[in-house]
Formats: sequence, C-alpha cells, structure tokens
Amino acid sequence: DTEVTQTPKHLVMGMTNKKSLKCEQHMGHRAMYWYKQKAKKPPELMFVYSYEKLSINESVPSRFSPECPNSSLLNLHLHALQPEDSALYLCASSHRPPGNQETQYFGPGTRLLVL
Amino acid sequence: QKEVEQNSGPLSVPEGAIASLNCTYSDRGSQSFFWYRQYSGKSPELIMSIYSNGDKEDGRFTAQLNKASQYVSLLIRDSQPSDSATYLCAVKKAAGNKLTFGGGTRVLVKP
Repeated sequence: DTEVTQTPKHLVMGMTNKKSLKCEQHMGHRAMYWYKQKAKKPPELMFVYSYEKLSINESVPSRFSPECPNSSLLNLHLHALQPEDSALYLCASSHRPPGNQETQYFGPGTRLLVL
Repeated sequence: QKEVEQNSGPLSVPEGAIASLNCTYSDRGSQSFFWYRQYSGKSPELIMSIYSNGDKEDGRFTAQLNKASQYVSLLIRDSQPSDSATYLCAVKKAAGNKLTFGGGTRVLVKP
C-alpha cells in the first residue's frame, strides 16, 4: 500500500484568506514532503519533514507555513497568497524498503487557485 | 548546466513501438534514480527505480543506468496510447532525502 491522501482536491481562495492543505499517510513513512508544481514544469520542493522535524525549507516565503502534528499527518497553512502561488500542491512520503534506496510516493495533489 | 536534463519532447511513437527516453545528470555523487509518469492534471506516479549500473526490467518498462557516463534511460516496449504522458527523471544523492527532477519528457503514442 503506497497511498498518500490529500484534501481538498481543489481550493479557490482570495489573497486575504487563510486556508490549510492536509496530507495523510498510514504507511509508517518517516519523511514527508511538500512540493509545488506549475503547469509544464517539474515538481519543486518546498519542505521536508523527517521524523516529524522540519529538515529542509527551500527558502519558501513565510506565507506558506508547514506543520507536522504527528508522523502520519502533514499540513500546509496558507495566508496572504498571491495569484502566482496558484499551482498544484503535491504531498509525498518516503521510506527505504529493505535492500533499496529511499523512495518517494506522491499524493493526488491539491489544485490551488488564488484570486 | 542543469543538474538533471531531459529532452522535453514531445516524443511521438507509433503504437506498438519502443519509446526511448534519456536523462543525464551532473552530480557524480548521485545514488538513486527514479522514473515517474505524470498524466496531465494528475500527480507523479513511480514506475521504476534503479540504483546499480545495468538494466532493470519491470513488465514493459526497462530502466538502464550508466554511472560512468552519468545517464539513465527508460525504454517502454509495445507502447500503448495509455502510455501518453510526461515522464519525469528524478535523481537522489547518497545522503539526504532530496530528489532533483529533470524537466520531463512528453510522450505521445499514436494509434
């Protein structure tokens, strides 16, 4: 089972709104990720949590605020976003199967539109 | 030079033919290599991973890795219209969790 779930699937928000994206996995993976993907571009890493601690922040603007309440859950809090933040937001989790390397699995994404 | 490079395509392939996708990377410390398939409007789906030089086969897919030449390729045999998608090459260094993605190759399989 390699299922990562994300809610909501779609989100429209104004520039003054506060909203949150949610990501969940119950596979026991110890690392979780947020990516942003614009049309016709590859995913762009935003944050990495490893063992519930923030290990990588790719110089993301403070209007994006990640949170990892427990090992299965990852949130991305959004505040005062700009229209250029409209994108597909992908969550991923990873593990290292025996004999293999760390492997990432993506959730279905949240398509965000900022008006 | 980008860290991971792919031809953006589109790579147009007749149904039933072999699609050959290439990816080059610049960091010799790279350890793990992945191919993800992404349909339009969907999220990336892992289809192959490879860590050692040589070939690795999984169904109609074969990944090939040549660390000396710093390239990894993906062959799709008996291509089907359902294989039409963007294929992302991703590379991971030995340490850390970060994946570096290539720009993706768009594949079109024509009936």
